[in-house]
Amino acid sequence: SQTIHQWPATLVQPVGSPLSLECTVEGTSNPNLYWYRQAAGRGLQLLFYSVGIGQISSEVPQNLSASRPQDRQFILSSKKLLLSDSGFYLCAWSSWTGDSPLHFGNGTRLTVT
Amino acid sequence: SQKIEQNSEALNIQEGKTATLTCNYTNYSPAYLQWYRQDPGRGPVFLLLIRENEKEKRKERLKVTFDTTLKQSLFHITASQPADSATYLCALEGNNRLAFGKGNQVVVIP
Repeated sequence: SQTIHQWPATLVQPVGSPLSLECTVEGTSNPNLYWYRQAAGRGLQLLFYSVGIGQISSEVPQNLSASRPQDRQFILSSKKLLLSDSGFYLCAWSSWTGDSPLHFGNGTRLTVT
Repeated sequence: SQKIEQNSEALNIQEGKTATLTCNYTNYSPAYLQWYRQDPGRGPVFLLLIRENEKEKRKERLKVTFDTTLKQSLFHITASQPADSATYLCALEGNNRLAFGKGNQVVVIP
């Protein structure tokens, strides 16, 4: 069966510090991978998605970036965090078919202080 | 602009009753619509998918309807249980992306 791992579960970082969140998927090949952010009282906002190694599409301009160095690894990064980067970050995968559901990790709660 | 609207007020319901949630959308022509459940501090979990040519879909105590004329989906939990307490999100396809509503919290009172 397929599983998705996301870490760390919680993170407190000072403003201006770098960020690296990692997500890995097991049990499937060539998944579509996604990074979402969920701020308090707001819906899920799609940040990045990837349909293959090295292929990243950005949905929202910001100081975050994403990379996919391996087929089942997706990394969210920032060189300098802002207060507004605080939120709940969720990684997800889906198969390549159009109506495939998303399978989410358990998220990272990021607090920028 | 495109909108997906779910009731921001929590739905408090007595155990055993049917909970009904609404998802309305504007300026989308989705080929399908999905419903997810999210527990506090966890990622959403997929529940049901309904396609535009389907009127109704059922899974155990869950039922989803999809009315493309009204641009609305209804999500029903029959014989609700305290374990059904969670936030339920609708999501629909638009521009080859899955866009989510903000979710509607359900509290089932024993």
